[in-house]
Amino acid sequence: QSALTQPASVSGSPGQSITISCTGTSSDVGSYNLVSWYQQHPGKAPKLMIYEDNKRPSGVSNRFSGSKSGNTASLTISGLQAEDEADYYCYSHAGSYVFGPGTKVTVL
Amino acid sequence: EVQLVESGGGLVQPGGSRRLSCAASGFTFSDYYMSWARQAPGKGPEWVANIKPDGSEQYYMDSVKGRFTISRDNAKNSVYLQMNSLRVDDTALYYCARAHMSSWDNWGQGTLVTVSS
Repeated sequence: QSALTQPASVSGSPGQSITISCTGTSSDVGSYNLVSWYQQHPGKAPKLMIYEDNKRPSGVSNRFSGSKSGNTASLTISGLQAEDEADYYCYSHAGSYVFGPGTKVTVL
Repeated sequence: EVQLVESGGGLVQPGGSRRLSCAASGFTFSDYYMSWARQAPGKGPEWVANIKPDGSEQYYMDSVKGRFTISRDNAKNSVYLQMNSLRVDDTALYYCARAHMSSWDNWGQGTLVTVSS
């Protein structure tokens, strides 16, 4: 049982924007800027998309953005594309070093 | 290009041991924390262990403390995970990952450990 909560699934049409939430507590998500987001396609390793709440690694599309308000972090994908269909996991380095349960993104 | 290549997975009986290896290339290995993470079939990733760049300190998730040992050899650009007293619920794809700014910016492709009688 993860200490973080994410919606099981989110869907959108190509070109739309979607947002995935990651809710924790003041001891993990709400403390410091230590939330990261990972994309995982079937059979592949996780890929870092956002770190320190809202920073994008080199090479990651600027369609991906991260934000945080209180104990909830969010990943927004703008201009949704077919290749964005994947599982997305949040992670908090504060608290108990835990990943969220994951959100399956479907492109309709 | 950063590359992380895991090896050592396989089928092991409950109570048995296994040693995983991860060969790193494409970066200055001795500058980075390194980690092992795992992912059980159909589940999300789970952090397992970290080791400091000089190997002086190690950190573990509660369920593997006392059973797993992370180590590294900076001369060989390699990190290892010695797993003892393996349990059925240790069955997972084990990933080697490079730590970066409280996250992991590079992952290997994983090596599968199956604990079953």
